[in-house]
Amino acid sequence: EIVLTQSPGTLSLSPGERATLSCRASQSVSSSYLAWYQQKPGLAPRLLIYGASSRATGIPDRFSGSGSGTDFTLSISRLEPEDFAVYYCQQYGSSPPGTFGQGTKVEIK
Amino acid sequence: EVQLVDSGGGLVKPGGSLRLSCVASGFTFSTYSFSWVRQAPGKGLEWVSSISGSSTYRYYADSVKGRFTISRDNAKNSVYLQMDSLRAEDTAVYYCAGPWEHGRWGQGTLVTVSS
Repeated sequence: EIVLTQSPGTLSLSPGERATLSCRASQSVSSSYLAWYQQKPGLAPRLLIYGASSRATGIPDRFSGSGSGTDFTLSISRLEPEDFAVYYCQQYGSSPPGTFGQGTKVEIK
Repeated sequence: EVQLVDSGGGLVKPGGSLRLSCVASGFTFSTYSFSWVRQAPGKGLEWVSSISGSSTYRYYADSVKGRFTISRDNAKNSVYLQMDSLRAEDTAVYYCAGPWEHGRWGQGTLVTVSS
């Protein structure tokens, strides 16, 4: 089973700053099957990135994904007030299909 | 409108059972795999179970294997999660989701296991 480890656990930044979130897998993940989600309190997760680097429909271009193998990154170029939330990575190509990282909280500094 | 609607949650005693339902609309349901994901209060997302389009393949997290059963009815555009032998640690909001690349999730249904 692939285990995903996200870092840091919490990221304290100001609006306008750049955010860089990391997701490391215990074994190689096909880039086609790595996703990033944003979740705000009381709401279902929102898909940001799939296939490691493809933005989902309606996602602003300040969000970008990169990486391959065991190391993946979500970058937010300039934080907007609505971007402060919890972010999860997910792999869905290997059995079991759908495991998540533990999450990174992006909070206002 | 493309959407998934979850239902069936509620309060149940330890050892009891519940059946969750997810109804899809606005897209071709039978082609895709669907999954259930849960989130305990104040915790992260936990994948629970997935089922392929034709029901050939079913997968379960170790934490629910042998107690939960996923199924689907393509004629009704529906996915189900039968949850038996429920434990306090199964308390969570349960989301239906799928397919992953389309980013479709239900609104979530709360399951509380307590005496």
